[in-house]
Order: sequence, then structure tokens, then C-alpha cells
Amino acid sequence: EIVVTQSPGTLSLSPGERATLSCRASQSVSSNYLAWYQQKPGQAPRLLIYGASTRATGIPDRFSGSGSGTDFTLTITSLDPEDFAVYYCQQYGGSPFKYTFGQGTKLQIK
Amino acid sequence: EVQLLESGGKLVRPGGSLRLSCAASGFDFSTYTMNWVRQAPGKGLEWVSALTGNGYLTYYADSVKGRFTISRDNSQDTLYLELSSLRSEDTAVYYCAKPTWNGNAFEVWGQGTMVAVSS
Repeated sequence: EIVVTQSPGTLSLSPGERATLSCRASQSVSSNYLAWYQQKPGQAPRLLIYGASTRATGIPDRFSGSGSGTDFTLTITSLDPEDFAVYYCQQYGGSPFKYTFGQGTKLQIK
Repeated sequence: EVQLLESGGKLVRPGGSLRLSCAASGFDFSTYTMNWVRQAPGKGLEWVSALTGNGYLTYYADSVKGRFTISRDNSQDTLYLELSSLRSEDTAVYYCAKPTWNGNAFEVWGQGTMVAVSS
């Protein structure tokens, strides 16, 4: 079973700064099967990135994803006040059929 | 516009049962494998179950296998989740989620419905 670990648990930054969030899988993952979500309090998650690097519809280009194998990164350039939220990475395993989420990174205002 | 609307969540006793519904609109529901994802209070996301578009194949997380049953009615564009033998650790917001075209991520989520298991 693949375990997905995110770091750091909490990231404190100021608006305008660059955020780098990490997601590590316990086994190599196809880049096609790695996604990132943003969740704000009281709201459902929102898909940001799928296929490791493809932005979902309507997602600003300050959000970018990269990585391969076991190490993936979500980068947010020039943080906007609305970007402070919890971010989850997710891996899809076709066999057995299962989706696994990381434990989340809370991005908070410094 | 693609929309998912969950309902059916409530307070239930340990060992009790419940059925959640997810009404879908704005897309060809019968062609998508649909999913349930839950989130315990203050915790992260946990995938719960999935059902193929034709209703033939079901998938469950180990934590709910044998206790939860996923089903769908494609004539009504509705997804269901039957919860039984409920435990306190099943307390969570339950989301219905539509995958991307290749099924590798969840591109549309409902607003969620809260299930609380407590005596």
C-alpha cells in the first residue's frame, strides 16, 4: 500500500512570497496519478493540479505542480491572501483501486 | 453547470444505519465512476468508495468494507451510500465526487453532508 506524506505540516508565509509544498510517496507513482487540492474552512476541496502538472480549469497560473517518481511539489508564486488554506496531495492507485490523500499542509499567514 | 448535491446526513447511534444520497446534474452521469470521500472533524480527506458507471464494479476502503454499500440509479442521476454498523470513527462530512475524464483526480465535489455517530 502506498503511503503519501506531505511536508511541512504548517507553512507560515506572507502575501507576495513563494510557497513550496512537498508530497512524497512511499513507492514510485506515475505522474499521471498525482493531484493537488486546496481546501478552505467550511468548504469542499477544490482540484488545483492533476497529472502532477496540469492545472485544472480556472486555476490561476501562479499555481504549478512538478515532480516524478516519489517526490512531487506544488509551487505557488507570489501568494495572494486568498491562497491561505490547507493543501492536500492525492495519489491514485489503479491496482488495487484506491485513492490515497496526504495528511495536508496548512498554509497560514505569517 | 456540473453540480453534486448530497443529503441524508444526521446524528445516529453507534451500530445504526443511514443512507446518503448525491444528486448529480450537468454531465452524463452514467458514464462516470462516482466516488464518496469523507473528512472527520479537523482531520484530512479519506477516500471511501467508488462505483463504475454501469454499476457493476464496486470499490471500498478497508475501513468501511463490509459495512458500507455504494449504489446508483442512473435513471435518476443519483449516487447512494448505505452506512451500517456505524462507529464513532465514521463521524465525518461525506462528499460525493466526480472524477476527471481519466479518473485520476476529483474535479467536482459536492458541498458534503455531515454524519455524526454518537450515543
